[in-house]
Amino acid sequence: AQKITQTQPGMFVQEKEAVTLDCTYDTSDPSYGLFWYKQPSSGEMIFLIYQGSYDQQNATEGRYSLNFQKARKSANLVISASQLGDSAMYFCAMSGVADSGGYQKVTFGIGTKLQVIP
Amino acid sequence: GAVVSQHPSWVICKSGTSVKIECRSLDFQATTMFWYRQFPKQSLMLMATSNEGSKATYEQGVEKDKFLINHASLTLSTLTVTSAHPEDSSFYICSASPTSIYEQFFGPGTRLTVL
Repeated sequence: AQKITQTQPGMFVQEKEAVTLDCTYDTSDPSYGLFWYKQPSSGEMIFLIYQGSYDQQNATEGRYSLNFQKARKSANLVISASQLGDSAMYFCAMSGVADSGGYQKVTFGIGTKLQVIP
Repeated sequence: GAVVSQHPSWVICKSGTSVKIECRSLDFQATTMFWYRQFPKQSLMLMATSNEGSKATYEQGVEKDKFLINHASLTLSTLTVTSAHPEDSSFYICSASPTSIYEQFFGPGTRLTVL
């Protein structure tokens, strides 16, 4: 079974500072993918960044970087130079084979609400 | 590119009626489409996975007869909530993948309220 854990229900960060959102995962699959999505109050899910389990380097996308520590099974999201528009819910997710077998599915964590303070 | 639309954006219906939600990939062909449900302040829960032309695979605990999924073409999947009840009120989000699970594009969601 695959499981995603996000232990921070809410986070505050000062504008222009960096913030780290925690995510740990558990899976028995050797091959998996890790994602971060942003969900503003409007509801749409916005893809931010992806890390494959075999990727040697940490993924980066603009101000977003994923701190992938495979041995610790963690995939923290780092947002640099926070902006007011970064205020949203952030979900960590993992892809892998479903328990019932045969197909891939994505499992989401419960999310972290980030508030950027001016 | 990679735009997914959902219709309607929101719907209010009476208890006992059926509601159909459409999910369309506008600029790509979606091999697989996924339907999620999100209760207020909670995470997305996968309801079912559908591949074009075949029956949907439902997650444990999701009633197949209540949540009918049709993936008739590579650009359209529909979710029909049959005999809706107030507890079915939720935010329903679809996603579409042109290739594999590693590439999912989400629709804007449909907010369903059952009175």
